[in-house]
Amino acid sequence: QLQLQESGPGLVKPSETLSLICTVSGGSIGSGTYYWGWIRQSPGKGLEWIGVIYGSGRTDYNPSLKSRVTISVDTSKNHFSLMLSSVTAADTAVYYCARGDRRYSGSYLSAEYFQYWGQGALVTVSS
Amino acid sequence: DIQMTQSPSSLSASVGDIVTVTCRASQYIASFLNWYQQQPGKAPKLLIYGASTLQGGVPSRFSGSGSGTDFTLSITSLQPEDSATYYCQQTYTTPYTFGLGTKLEIK
Repeated sequence: QLQLQESGPGLVKPSETLSLICTVSGGSIGSGTYYWGWIRQSPGKGLEWIGVIYGSGRTDYNPSLKSRVTISVDTSKNHFSLMLSSVTAADTAVYYCARGDRRYSGSYLSAEYFQYWGQGALVTVSS
Repeated sequence: DIQMTQSPSSLSASVGDIVTVTCRASQYIASFLNWYQQQPGKAPKLLIYGASTLQGGVPSRFSGSGSGTDFTLSITSLQPEDSATYYCQQTYTTPYTFGLGTKLEIK
């Protein structure tokens, strides 16, 4: 059974960089047609898609965060990471990592979804 | 960004009832619509993908329908464990956006 686990500091100072790692177990991060992503949840904004990284290494970020976000993969450690720079109190949230799956009908993409999620990591931005 | 509007924002129902949650996209998304269930303090759990395909292991009392811009999640024969918040998500165009959720309370 695939499992994902977020880890990283729970408290980050304003203007600093938030860094989280998602460790994948029960499967190889480099295999299959999956992709890997980050989603956050705050009381004020609900669930927010941060971005994803594909097997090719290509990334896709939410334009609202694009200038501050970096997602990368380390296949040797079977984990992927999130870095969010210049954080403010508005970045306080529970951060989830997840695996993106795709379904095809013939050669056509018919669905994409996040089936596997980490348990979530609360990150508070405060001095 | 595509805006996802869910209604109602909350509802209360009894065990055995049938409930319906709707989700409307601000533009066409074909059938790229997923539904998730979230219990307090837990990660979202995938219920339905592709608007109507039930994820493995999810009880058959859950069903989804719709295409284009209007979608529905239905729960028949409501059970106490269905008390949760339900979210829709579009995966037609990035950034993939979520609705604000529908909180379901079991009386």
